[in-house]
Amino acid sequence: DTGVSQNPRHKITKRGQNVTFRCDPISEHNRLYWYRQTLGQGPEFLTYFQNEAQLEKSRLLSDRFSAERPKGSFSTLEIQRTEQGDSAMYLCASSLAPVTLASKNIQYFGAGTRLSVL
Amino acid sequence: LAKTTQPISMDSYEGQEVNITCSHNNIATNDYITWYQQFPSQGPRFIIQGYKTKVTNEVASLFIPADRKSSTLSLPRVSLSDTAVYYCLVALSTGTASKLTFGTGTRLQVTL
Repeated sequence: DTGVSQNPRHKITKRGQNVTFRCDPISEHNRLYWYRQTLGQGPEFLTYFQNEAQLEKSRLLSDRFSAERPKGSFSTLEIQRTEQGDSAMYLCASSLAPVTLASKNIQYFGAGTRLSVL
Repeated sequence: LAKTTQPISMDSYEGQEVNITCSHNNIATNDYITWYQQFPSQGPRFIIQGYKTKVTNEVASLFIPADRKSSTLSLPRVSLSDTAVYYCLVALSTGTASKLTFGTGTRLQVTL
């Protein structure tokens, strides 16, 4: 399977604990995105990388959240001191950066990591 | 606050054509409009992408008017397996920058 891979698929943790999720993008894709999706809502953009550079962060990404993509391949999303409001599906997507401003940019999504904070 | 809005839900019979519209008044100038399908507990799955006018692929068509303030996903002959939530994804202009924004989602229910 050469699609976007996310691990773990499910994570249950107690409030106050730290959690880390991993995303492996499609191998030739240089852009990687993180989204959060709560029940009944559309995904909300958190951050994205082009290669190893984090180019944009949403205001949703509080100080407790940190994302890395150290070698421009896989990425990790860490949540420190989890709160019950962090319970959500965390989605990762990857794409090829558009060559020009008018180029296509199709994001392909993984299956997500569902986080439950008790 | 710039938003991307869609009808909450739609019902259709199998074999009918379904059209789902997304309103995105503040779409960024140079960005494409993308539509996704999502089943429960799965990530969004790409359906179609376009910039303006009409785009067609093997599963859907996408209609985009000249002002690009809305887009319409057309599913030609739906089947039961098309029951899912459909989202548009656009970059909304926030002044000097843009923000990737999913629509509010449309839950499509297909019945016999």
